[in-house]
Amino acid sequence: DARVTQTPRHKVTEMGQEVTMRCQPILGHNTVFWYRQTMMQGLELLAYFRNRAPLDDSGMPKDRFSAEMPDATLATLKIQPSEPRDSAVYFCASGLVGQGGGNQPQHFGDGTRLSIL
Amino acid sequence: GNSVTQMEGPVTLSEEAFLTINCTYTATGYPSLFWYVQYPGEGLQLLLKATKADDKGSNKGFEATYRKETTSFHLEKGSVQVSDSAVYFCALSPTTLIPGGAQKLVFGQGTRLTINP
Repeated sequence: DARVTQTPRHKVTEMGQEVTMRCQPILGHNTVFWYRQTMMQGLELLAYFRNRAPLDDSGMPKDRFSAEMPDATLATLKIQPSEPRDSAVYFCASGLVGQGGGNQPQHFGDGTRLSIL
Repeated sequence: GNSVTQMEGPVTLSEEAFLTINCTYTATGYPSLFWYVQYPGEGLQLLLKATKADDKGSNKGFEATYRKETTSFHLEKGSVQVSDSAVYFCALSPTTLIPGGAQKLVFGQGTRLTINP
């Protein structure tokens, strides 16, 4: 089965360091989502892309977070500088949306568990 | 706005017990409804879905019926197994009139289920 691949699976770093998380969506999917999961807030949508263009990043702290899709096979989420409150599991998901819109399921990666000390 | 409310957890049952996890939603129009399952250390996996009123989604012995009159999508299973222990998320995808439009999911807070042998 095709899968969304996220790297790294785990990341521990010190406050102030830059963190880059990567996602390879399922081939042929045109929509990519970034989520953050914490015990307190649950699942939060940070940003999403359609055909590599950002559609909505209103859930993302703009001052330190940035999301990009350099090409159709790679999505990145960067935090610079990182802070302890950014510690969470970050999930990437991808899906296919056609011309008619449609409510199709998303496919999730296994996440990056981030710890900022 | 759109929202999903799930039964508070955690839920603990014995093997072969009957399971119900309640889910209600608030949305305009006719959203699609989903149940996702998250096993430890993994991302979310689609369990089942329903796209219109009175549809029943089913998979792996789990069922949920889209009830527009009560705005509910309760998850049920007749006889649970230890391997069903996981966190379960109810979600909706809002209706969009925009071709190729948003496919965002709105998640409930998740319900942790533990099945004891």
